[in-house]
Amino acid sequence: DAGVIQSPRHEVTEMGQEVTLRCKPISGHDYLFWYRQTMMRGLELLIYFNNNVPIDDSGMPEDRFSAKMPNASFSTLKIQPSEPRDSAVYFCASRRRGGGEKLFFGSGTQLSVL
Amino acid sequence: DAKTTQPPSMDCAEGRAANLPCNHSTISGNEYVYWYRQIHSQGPQYIIHGLKNNETNEMASLIITEDRKSSTLILPHATLRDTAVYYCIVRGSGSGNTGKLIFGQGTTLQVKP
Repeated sequence: DAGVIQSPRHEVTEMGQEVTLRCKPISGHDYLFWYRQTMMRGLELLIYFNNNVPIDDSGMPEDRFSAKMPNASFSTLKIQPSEPRDSAVYFCASRRRGGGEKLFFGSGTQLSVL
Repeated sequence: DAKTTQPPSMDCAEGRAANLPCNHSTISGNEYVYWYRQIHSQGPQYIIHGLKNNETNEMASLIITEDRKSSTLILPHATLRDTAVYYCIVRGSGSGNTGKLIFGQGTTLQVKP
């Protein structure tokens, strides 16, 4: 298995632009998670899906952030408009049903908003 | 979830066993101990977890004390590639609050040649 695949690996954009991050979870996993990691705040859960349905988005910082999961093999995290304080590493993770907290993380997207 | 305490850093010689301690004195009966690590510029990686019995897999061993107030992650033969930040996390069973893992500061393990 290729693991959780994220793209792009790096993204540099200017303030005000729309940013879309992509994630392909491990096949057969029912849960998908989006995280953000910064030096100041560590790793924060933004939102998670179960069977493509958003379950908890309480970690999404603002209305500028949105996430979708149109099917079991693809999810996006969109920031519109982006701001410099959104600069961080964004991770996607997935796990199977009944997998406890055994999550499989992608390699992340390093986002820099200038 | 129970709070965990780990030393901020440790060194280990390559080829030797690395023993990483974790205190979780407020752990409750249905809470598991999970270990993750994060190698520089990579996503966190699951290592192992346990409830009360010792566990072993291809990556590591987990030793949990009888009172469950502390545990030790053992990397039997550390290599340079094991240099990473290691996180001890205590989480309850069930789907409530799933994914809300508190990684804390962890232990930075430096494996030296």
